[in-house]
Amino acid sequence: AQKVTQAQTEISVVEKEDVTLDCVYETRDTTYYLFWYKQPPSGELVFLIRRNSFDEQNEISGRYSWNFQKSTSSFNFTITASQVVDSAVYFCALRNSGGYQKVTFGTGTKLQVIP
Amino acid sequence: DVKVTQSSRYLVKRTGEKVFLECVQDMDHENMFWYRQDPGLGLRLIYFSYDVKMKEKGDIPEGYSVSREKKERFSLILESASTNQTSMYLCASRSATGTRETQYFGPGTRLLVL
Repeated sequence: AQKVTQAQTEISVVEKEDVTLDCVYETRDTTYYLFWYKQPPSGELVFLIRRNSFDEQNEISGRYSWNFQKSTSSFNFTITASQVVDSAVYFCALRNSGGYQKVTFGTGTKLQVIP
Repeated sequence: DVKVTQSSRYLVKRTGEKVFLECVQDMDHENMFWYRQDPGLGLRLIYFSYDVKMKEKGDIPEGYSVSREKKERFSLILESASTNQTSMYLCASRSATGTRETQYFGPGTRLLVL
């Protein structure tokens, strides 16, 4: 069975602060894919990043960066210099590579950026 | 851009009513999914379909059924709505080509069952 844990239910930061959202996963597969999605108040989940299990390189996209560490089964997401528009619920997800490639989502972290 | 649309953003129904939630995607994706989202529980998979007329149960299929008569449309059916089915329902689609493809989500339908 696979599992995704986002221990932080809600986080509040003041604008321009950096914030890290934690994601820990469990899987028995050796090949798998990790994702982060953003869900703004409008409700639609927006894809942010996909990472496969063979690529441990960290990635940076503007103010967003992701730290993938297989040794600790973590895929953490950092927002640098947070902005009010970053306020949303963020989901981490795991997809296996076999069968119907089921996606398992974490319970989400609600981020509030205070002006 | 991939576009996934859902027939309603908000829906209010009474207990016992039959409810249809419609989802349409415009990218010729083979795979389509229905999730429900509840506070503290994240997204849970109800049903998915990997081809026309094909369907598979997800983690919480009880009380739901689905229909996929055309490739672009995937319907979720609540045969007899109950108050515990009040939730946010999200549809998603994904290409079956390769394992790298990403799920794209619709805007969601907030269903209230009274």
